[in-house]
Amino acid sequence: ILNVEQSPQSLHVQEGDSTNFTCSFPSSNFYALHWYRWETAKSPEALFVMTLNGDEKKKGRISATLNTKEGYSYLYIKGSQPEDSATYLCALMDSNYQLIWGAGTKLIIKP
Amino acid sequence: DADVTQTPRNRITKTGKRIMLECSQTKGHDRMYWYRQDPGLGLRLIYYSFDVKDINKGEISDGYSVSRQAQAKFSLSLESAIPNQTALYFCATSDLEVNTGELFFGEGSRLTVL
Repeated sequence: ILNVEQSPQSLHVQEGDSTNFTCSFPSSNFYALHWYRWETAKSPEALFVMTLNGDEKKKGRISATLNTKEGYSYLYIKGSQPEDSATYLCALMDSNYQLIWGAGTKLIIKP
Repeated sequence: DADVTQTPRNRITKTGKRIMLECSQTKGHDRMYWYRQDPGLGLRLIYYSFDVKDINKGEISDGYSVSRQAQAKFSLSLESAIPNQTALYFCATSDLEVNTGELFFGEGSRLTVL
C-alpha cells in the first residue's frame, strides 16, 4: 500500500516571504501526482496534476515539481500573501486509479 | 451555485441514529466518491461509483452504505451512527474520460455523533 507523507505538518510564513513544502512517496509506480488547496470551510480545489518525472507546473505565484525517481514533489509559493493561507493536500494516483492522500501541510501567512 | 453540493453541511446526532448525507453534482461527471477527513490524517475513501450501476467499496466502507440514485446523485448512509464516525465528509466527482484527472469536491458535511 502506498504511503504519502507531507512535510511539514504546519508552517507559519511571514507575508511576502517565499516558501515550499514536500510530498514524498516510496514508489514510482503510479499514474499521477495531485496537489490541492483547501481553505477552511471551503471545498478542496485542484492546483496541479503531474504525471511525468521532471514535470513542472505553475499557476501564478504557485508552482510544483515532480521527481518520480527519488519519490517527491515540491510545492513552491513565491511572495506569500494572506490569501495563500490554507491546507495544501498532495495525493498519489495508484495503479487502480485511486488517490492516496497525504495528511496535508497547513500554511499560515502572518501579516 | 456550487457544482458539487452536499447536504446537510452540519449535523449533530446521537449514537444509533440513521443518518444520510446527500451529494448532487451539475458537472455531468460519471465518477463520484465519498471521503472522510479526520484531523491529522489524509482523506480516506469510503465508497466510489464509476456510473449509476457501479458501486465499489473503498478503504473504510464498514458501517457505511451508499446509493447512486442517478448520474448526478450519490448518497452516503450511516445505518447506526457511532461516535467514531464523527468526521468531516466530502463528496467528489471526476471525469470518466480523464483517468488521471482532478477531483471536484463539495464543501463537506460535518457530522458529530454523540
